[in-house]
Amino acid sequence: DTGVSQDPRHKITKRGQNVTFRCDPISEHNRLYWYRQTLGQGPEFLTYFQNEAQLEKSRLLSDRFSAERPKGSFSTLEIQRTEQGDSAMYLCASSLNVRGSYGYTFGSGTRLTVV
Amino acid sequence: LAKTTQPISMDSYEGQEVNITCSHNNIATNDYITWYQQFPSQGPRFIIQGYKTKVTNEVASLFIPADRKSSTLSLPRVSLSDTAVYYCLVGTMDSNYQLIWGAGTKLIIKP
Repeated sequence: DTGVSQDPRHKITKRGQNVTFRCDPISEHNRLYWYRQTLGQGPEFLTYFQNEAQLEKSRLLSDRFSAERPKGSFSTLEIQRTEQGDSAMYLCASSLNVRGSYGYTFGSGTRLTVV
Repeated sequence: LAKTTQPISMDSYEGQEVNITCSHNNIATNDYITWYQQFPSQGPRFIIQGYKTKVTNEVASLFIPADRKSSTLSLPRVSLSDTAVYYCLVGTMDSNYQLIWGAGTKLIIKP
C-alpha cells in the first residue's frame, strides 16, 4: 500500500457541470476526510467518515456537495452544478482511529478548475 | 479548539538550523501539537507530533515548554528541498479534523 490515492489529479470543467472525485485511503485506516484548499490558504475541512458512516459535514458545505464511502473503503466526492468558486484543490486524508496513532496521511489532491 | 499563530514566512540558507515557533495560548489539557509540511501541488505531510518537552524523529525536533502555550519546530541542517509551507495544529485525534488550518509558515531555503 503506497498511501492515499486520489483520482483524477486535475479536472477542468465548465460551470454548471457535475464532477466526481475518488479517494482510495490506506487500507487499514478507518477514518477518511475530505478537505478543500485554495491558493495561499490551509486546508478547509469538508466532511469525514468513520468506516462507511459519514459522521460530520462542515456547515460551510453547500448542498451541491455530497460524499459517499460505500463499504468503508474508497470514497467519492461529487459536486453538482459547479461554480467558479468551487475551483480549488480537493484533498483526501485518512487516519487510523486508535490510541497512539498520529496525524493524517493526505493524498496529492485533485485540482479542480471551473471555467 | 485552540487557535495557533505562526509567522507568515521565513528565509534561511542551506546547512542552517531553522526554528519555526507556533503560539497556542489556549491549548487544552488533552491537546497534542502536530506539524505538517506541504509542497506545492501536494497534500500536507505529517512531520512530528508531541505533547510536552521534546520529541525528535529522523526529520525534525519539536520543543514544547512546560506551559505548552507555544512550540518550536526545529529542522536541522536544512536543504533546498525543505522549502515548503509548514503548518502547526493543536488538538486531539478526535477533534483534529475540525481544526482551522491557518496559512502556515512559508519557509524559503536559499543556496
